[in-house]
Amino acid sequence: NAGVTQTPKFQVLKTGQSMTLQCAQDMNHEYMSWYRQDPGMGLRLIHYSVGAGITDQGEVPNGYNVSRSTTEDFPLRLLSAAPSQTSVYFCASSYSPRGNYGYTFGSGTRLTVV
Amino acid sequence: LAKTTQPISMDSYEGQEVNITCSHNNIATNDYITWYQQFPSQGPRFIIQGYKTKVTNEVASLFIPADRKSSTLSLPRVSLSDTAVYYCLVGDNSGGGADGLTFGKGTHLIIQP
Repeated sequence: NAGVTQTPKFQVLKTGQSMTLQCAQDMNHEYMSWYRQDPGMGLRLIHYSVGAGITDQGEVPNGYNVSRSTTEDFPLRLLSAAPSQTSVYFCASSYSPRGNYGYTFGSGTRLTVV
Repeated sequence: LAKTTQPISMDSYEGQEVNITCSHNNIATNDYITWYQQFPSQGPRFIIQGYKTKVTNEVASLFIPADRKSSTLSLPRVSLSDTAVYYCLVGDNSGGGADGLTFGKGTHLIIQP
């Protein structure tokens, strides 16, 4: 089925390690974004992209990098993991940057940093 | 960043109609209002979207007054499976840019038997 695919679903990292969370969509959406969700905090925007080759920061970008080399893929990189980055990460895509046609979310990656 | 205000939590009973209101005073002229539902350990799921007046689908209705500064999600005859967090999402005309959409904390709806 068409949608947003996130891998891995679960990950445990040690402080200081790096990793990449993968996100892929097959709906030809131009807009993609990464959110983190912490208990009681709702969803917070980390980075977003309005098309291949274009990325920008959201509300909580520190400690994360992104790139968008293709329309389909939008990986999120943790450069040096910290316990404060323990969270559930969601990738989303949309036809419009303003979500005027709705966002499609992935099933999430649950990351624990010890 | 988008600014929305929703109740933190609501309780209701099976078979009742539930109305959740969201305030969004800075909605942009061209922006739509979208509601999402999220169950534990899942990503948010699109429920309904509207621009003004009333929109209805098989899941819910969305009521938007003429000034568009608020919206009300209406869930008819709720069941236990409607227990979830509901998010109201709108644009922000305070600064423009493609990053104007941000989720708030949502409304935790609890349905009891």
